[in-house]
Amino acid sequence: AQSVAQPEDQVNVAEGNPLTVKCTYSVSGNPYLFWYVQYPNRGLQFLLKYITGDNLVKGSYGFEAEFNKSQTSFHLKKPSALVSDSALYFCAVRDGGTNAGKSTFGDGTTLTVKP
Amino acid sequence: NAGVTQTPKFQVLKTGQSMTLQCAQDMNHEYMSWYRQDPGMGLRLIHYSVGAGITDQGEVPNGYNVSRSTTEDFPLRLLSAAPSQTSVYFCASSYGAGGGGYTFGSGTRLTVV
Repeated sequence: AQSVAQPEDQVNVAEGNPLTVKCTYSVSGNPYLFWYVQYPNRGLQFLLKYITGDNLVKGSYGFEAEFNKSQTSFHLKKPSALVSDSALYFCAVRDGGTNAGKSTFGDGTTLTVKP
Repeated sequence: NAGVTQTPKFQVLKTGQSMTLQCAQDMNHEYMSWYRQDPGMGLRLIHYSVGAGITDQGEVPNGYNVSRSTTEDFPLRLLSAAPSQTSVYFCASSYGAGGGGYTFGSGTRLTVV
């Protein structure tokens, strides 16, 4: 069975500081990894994905994520946080092999960026 | 493009009633899924489909049915509503294996009293 863990319910950072939101995964086949963001009272938006290739992937709004196969991690990062980045962030995994249609999400991490 | 359209946006049901949540996408996506979002529990997969005529169960399928007769539509049926089904429901679609991330609908907030 595939699974995703987001070990931090809440991450607090000051505006202008770098931010990291952590994600680890478990999947039997090749991992397809995704990050999504949910702003208050809104739906979810796709941020970035890792399918294959470079371990550092860049996405929307200046976010990037680093794939680490040995640590089975896919942490979300941004060099300089903005107050407007405050939102709920979800990591998701999809098995690139036999179960490619099924995406499993983590429980989410609330990011708060203070001025 | 409309993307993923979910209707209704809000619904109140009485225990035991049935209803269908509608989901339609106009992007010719192969994959479609239904999730429910509950506080502190993230998104839990109810049912998913990898193409017309093909559906499968997710983590929490009990009390829900789906069908996929066309590429565009993926309705979710609540058979006999229970208070435990009070939640926000999201429909999502994406291209097939190796494709892009999900495009989500705006959600349906369902309350069962």
